[in-house]
Amino acid sequence: EIVMTQSPATLSVSPGERVTLSCRASQSVSSDLAWYQQKPGQAPRLLIYGASTRATGIPARFSGSGSGTEFTLTISSLQSEDFAVYYCQQYNNWLFYTFGQGTKVEIK
Amino acid sequence: QLQLQESGPGLVKPSETLSLTCTVSSGSVSSTSYYWGWVRQPPGKGLEWLGSIYYSGSTYYNPSLKSRVIIFVDTSKNQFSLKLTSVTAADTAVYYCVRCAHPFDHWGQGALVTVSS
Repeated sequence: EIVMTQSPATLSVSPGERVTLSCRASQSVSSDLAWYQQKPGQAPRLLIYGASTRATGIPARFSGSGSGTEFTLTISSLQSEDFAVYYCQQYNNWLFYTFGQGTKVEIK
Repeated sequence: QLQLQESGPGLVKPSETLSLTCTVSSGSVSSTSYYWGWVRQPPGKGLEWLGSIYYSGSTYYNPSLKSRVIIFVDTSKNQFSLKLTSVTAADTAVYYCVRCAHPFDHWGQGALVTVSS
């Protein structure tokens, strides 16, 4: 099992700030890393795949980087609609997909 | 636009079998390009992949649940289904069906299943 660890667990930020979320894999997943956004009462939405490619319709303020075991999701200027929980997921081992435990981005 | 919709009982008794079906619209479970799968989320907790299936019936499951999970596909109805046996309160969760495009690019809205007597 590839264990995904996200940090921090919670991030308190103000609208307009730049936000950086981290995700670490217990072994290399190459660039097979996705980020999802989940708002209360909603299903997760795919933001980033291939570590750095934005999914269809995702605003340019969201960007992803990294490869191997260290990954980052950056929101360049946080908007009110971006307050949510963010999950990373590895799909390198597609016989056993695993998610990080999530980072909650809340209003400061 | 592809849509996935979960359906099934919202309440299951302990030790019984949880059964859910995902109906796919504006797309086909018979596509050779994708697997289809199930993910769950206990209240207030994170996401857990349960298993995935190909239109041919080929499956792979989360090893931690493998002995209790069965996923099958009905191409004639454009559906795939989940069965989770011997449930306990720990299986209370929102269950999502997903399209596995490496990663999961489409999700159903989710179905809350509560395990309680």
